[in-house]
Amino acid sequence: SQTIHQWPATLVQPVGSPLSLECTVEGTSNPNLYWYRQAAGRGLQLLFYSVGIGQISSEVPQNLSASRPQDRQFILSSKKLLLSDSGFYLCAWRGTELTEAFFGQGTRLTVV
Amino acid sequence: GENVEQHPSTLSVQEGDSAVIKCTYSDSASNYFPWYKQELGKRPQLIIDIRSNVGEKKDQRIAVTLNKTAKHFSLHITETQPEDSAVYFCAAPPKFNAGGTSYGKLTFGQGTILTVHP
Repeated sequence: SQTIHQWPATLVQPVGSPLSLECTVEGTSNPNLYWYRQAAGRGLQLLFYSVGIGQISSEVPQNLSASRPQDRQFILSSKKLLLSDSGFYLCAWRGTELTEAFFGQGTRLTVV
Repeated sequence: GENVEQHPSTLSVQEGDSAVIKCTYSDSASNYFPWYKQELGKRPQLIIDIRSNVGEKKDQRIAVTLNKTAKHFSLHITETQPEDSAVYFCAAPPKFNAGGTSYGKLTFGQGTILTVHP
């Protein structure tokens, strides 16, 4: 069966520090991968998505970047965090049929 | 989401009442319409979905109806219970051919905070 791993679950980082959040999927090939951010009590903002290795689509201009070094690995990064980067970050994957999305447990990032 | 509008943003009902959340989409080629439930502090999870070749789908107390002509679909929860309290999201992924612009993109409605009072 397919599983998605996202870590860490919580993270407190100072302003100006770098960020690296990792997401891996098991049990499937060629997944479509997604990074979302959710502010408290708000909706799911699509940040990046990837339909294949090295293919990254960016949805929102910001100081974040994403990479997909392997088929089932999706990494969200920042060189210098801002206070406004605080939020709940969710990784998700969908199969090639593009139906149900499966989400990771999420990372609650607090920038202080 | 840029291709789907969801209403209301908040909904408060008494236990046992029904709740209805509606989403309107713009891409007439969309053919898959899921609903997700996100409990506080948890990840969103699919609760029901419908394809464009049917008008209604039911699963116990939840149902989804689709009106392709009007381009809207709704989530119906009957006999609501306190554990139904959560944020609900809809999506209407655009249908694109592989390799086309925005292929694979998935955005969600703004979300509805449902509160069921005991």
